[in-house]
Amino acid sequence: QLQLQESGPGLLKPSETLSLTCTISGGSISSSSYNWGWTRQSPGKGLEWIASISYSGATYYNPSLESRVTISVDTSKNQFSLRLSSVTATDTAIYYCVRQIHDGSVPDWFDPWGQGTLVTVSS
Amino acid sequence: QSALTQPASVSGSPGQSITISCTGSSSDVGGHNYVSWYQQHPGKPPKLMIYDVSNRPSGVSNRFSGSKSGNTASLTISGLQPEDEADYYCSSYTSGRFPFVVFGGGTKLTVL
Repeated sequence: QLQLQESGPGLLKPSETLSLTCTISGGSISSSSYNWGWTRQSPGKGLEWIASISYSGATYYNPSLESRVTISVDTSKNQFSLRLSSVTATDTAIYYCVRQIHDGSVPDWFDPWGQGTLVTVSS
Repeated sequence: QSALTQPASVSGSPGQSITISCTGSSSDVGGHNYVSWYQQHPGKPPKLMIYDVSNRPSGVSNRFSGSKSGNTASLTISGLQPEDEADYYCSSYTSGRFPFVVFGGGTKLTVL
C-alpha cells in the first residue's frame, strides 16, 4: 500500500524559504502513470493546489504561487520536494504531499494523501 | 475565493440522503469529466471518495455517488450515518487561462 510522509521544519520566520520533502513507501516514484504534488490548507480554510511534477521532471505550478515555488524529484531516494521562497504569515498552513493520477496530459484525482505537516510562519 | 462554489454547510438526519453541489464553469466542471470529491474528518488528510464525476474507488461505500449536469457537479450521500459528518471538497481539472487543478471551498456536513 502506497504511503506518503512529509518532513521539514515546522516554524519559519517571514522572508525565509520553506523546504519540505515527501518520502514514498510501498511504491516507486518512477511511474509514468502518476504525477506527484503538493497541496496546502490554511487553518480553518479550504484546500489549495500548489504544484505537481511528473516522474520525468515536467513541472506544473499554481499561477498564484509560481514565482516563489520549485518542485523537484529525487528518484534515487524515492522522494520529491517543495521549496517556497519569501514566506509570509499567509503561507501558514498544513502542507500535504499527494500522488496525482493523470489521463495523458490531463491531471486528475489525488490519492493517496500524506498525513500533512503544519508549517507556521511567525516572527 | 475558490474557483469552484460549494455551499458552506448542509445537514441531514441519519438514514436520510443529502446532496452537495459544486458549481464551476465551462472551463472546468462543465467542460471535462475530471471532477473528484474528497472527505475530510477533523485533523485528518482528505480522502478520495469519487473520481471522474461518478466513479468510486475501491473501499468507498456505495452510499456515495457523484453526478454532473452542465457546470454543476453533485455528491449524494444516501442512508446518512454519523461517521459521514465531515468536510467535503470538490476538485476539477481546469483548461482555463492557467490550466491545472482547482478546488471548491468545502462543505461542512452535519449529521443531526
